[in-house]
Amino acid sequence: DAKTTQPTSMDCAEGRAANLPCNHSTISGNEYVYWYRQIHSQGPQYIIHGLKNNETNEMASLIITEDRKSSTLILPHATLRDTAVYYCIVRVHNAGNMLTFGGGTRLMVKP
Amino acid sequence: EAQVTQNPRYLITVTGKKLTVTCSQNMNHEYMSWYRQDPGLGLRQIYYSMNVEVTDKGDVPEGYKVSRKEKRNFPLILESPSPNQTSLYFCASSFNDRVYGYTFGSGTRLTVV
Repeated sequence: DAKTTQPTSMDCAEGRAANLPCNHSTISGNEYVYWYRQIHSQGPQYIIHGLKNNETNEMASLIITEDRKSSTLILPHATLRDTAVYYCIVRVHNAGNMLTFGGGTRLMVKP
Repeated sequence: EAQVTQNPRYLITVTGKKLTVTCSQNMNHEYMSWYRQDPGLGLRQIYYSMNVEVTDKGDVPEGYKVSRKEKRNFPLILESPSPNQTSLYFCASSFNDRVYGYTFGSGTRLTVV
């Protein structure tokens, strides 16, 4: 699986958009970008994933650059409950069931 | 409600006393997996299963066993727990991750003294 690089921490004002970047410059053509988050020692929660097109669901939007070497997770209107560690993971679908979590970005949403 | 259920949530045990952490999912998922989480080391995969009677090692399988006799259950067995297995454990399942990603349980905090 391609290695990912994320900032260690970020702050965001409540009600504003939170934009979380992820670099994955060694991504290969059949690897997807996944985002999960973990709220203080709870089980990680799946957010969204994509291959090359931008994706949106009820939780977030995922913007993947045209060269696929980086992506951005967007939480359109961050709330205090979005304070969590966000993990960007790059992997092949059904790749032996392996999910490799890196260090993630600790997002702090402030009032 | 669709969920992954782990039991117990908290457990304190002594070195060498065999224990089992149960994991059950009600979503008919094929894939199940166990992770441990330690400060500074993040989430690391212990074992995974792609279907009934099919299991394989993850990154840190030493000291653990698993079984997958039926689709819904994937217990984690510590035959002789040691203090370095003190950790927060998560079970996860997925039908396949083409659509929905993995659903994680609430975690089991294990302390081995």
